[in-house]
Amino acid sequence: DAGITQSPRHKVTETGTPVTLRCHQTENHRYMYWYRQDPGHGLRLIHYSYGVKDTDKGEVSDGYSVSRSKTEDFLLTLESATSSQTSVYFCAISEPGLAGGPNTGELFFGEGSRLTVL
Amino acid sequence: AQKITQTQPGMFVQEKEAVTLDCTYDTSDQSYGLFWYKQPSSGEMIFLIYQGSYDEQNATEGRYSLNFQKARKSANLVISASQLGDSAMYFCAMIPGQEGRRALTFGSGTRLQVQP
Repeated sequence: DAGITQSPRHKVTETGTPVTLRCHQTENHRYMYWYRQDPGHGLRLIHYSYGVKDTDKGEVSDGYSVSRSKTEDFLLTLESATSSQTSVYFCAISEPGLAGGPNTGELFFGEGSRLTVL
Repeated sequence: AQKITQTQPGMFVQEKEAVTLDCTYDTSDQSYGLFWYKQPSSGEMIFLIYQGSYDEQNATEGRYSLNFQKARKSANLVISASQLGDSAMYFCAMIPGQEGRRALTFGSGTRLQVQP
């Protein structure tokens, strides 16, 4: 199993408070991702990173920021949490190659972090 | 932009029967990859199978096969001989094939329930 740990695994917070979720990997994969999972929407990409200090926005990035100061850590921050950010957050890592090549680019997922914003 | 569509929110199948989960995709890329993931009730995401856009043969992994019809832009998952442990959410996803900044785009998922 890929070495990915997310913390915290569960968090309840109040509207307007800052929240940081941490993703830590031991696989030395270049690519790291944050997705959120909501019923009826599947997994939607929030932000992703291609290396240290190299990040990009996904389709639902509003209200979120990320940082990657070390290869192994990818932090997701909600500066001021809102109830619409209640969700399950998944971190994922990959080391993608060209499609059809020996490295398919599959994602390895963490166990998820359930965030409730009251 | 890429889009994945899974039109079956829920499916039922009898144990030991085969089931097909539908997935259609939209992309302007010539090169891309298609994935299926399984999410049991425990919540973890499990990689099942991969198909590259240039692969001429359908991918197979044990009881899982991917029915890839490129002209129709479909990538249906076929599970043969369903087992109770197959009850889960199933997600179809795709990734652009060219090197560079790439991420998986997921469909909304299909919940499969296997009945004894």
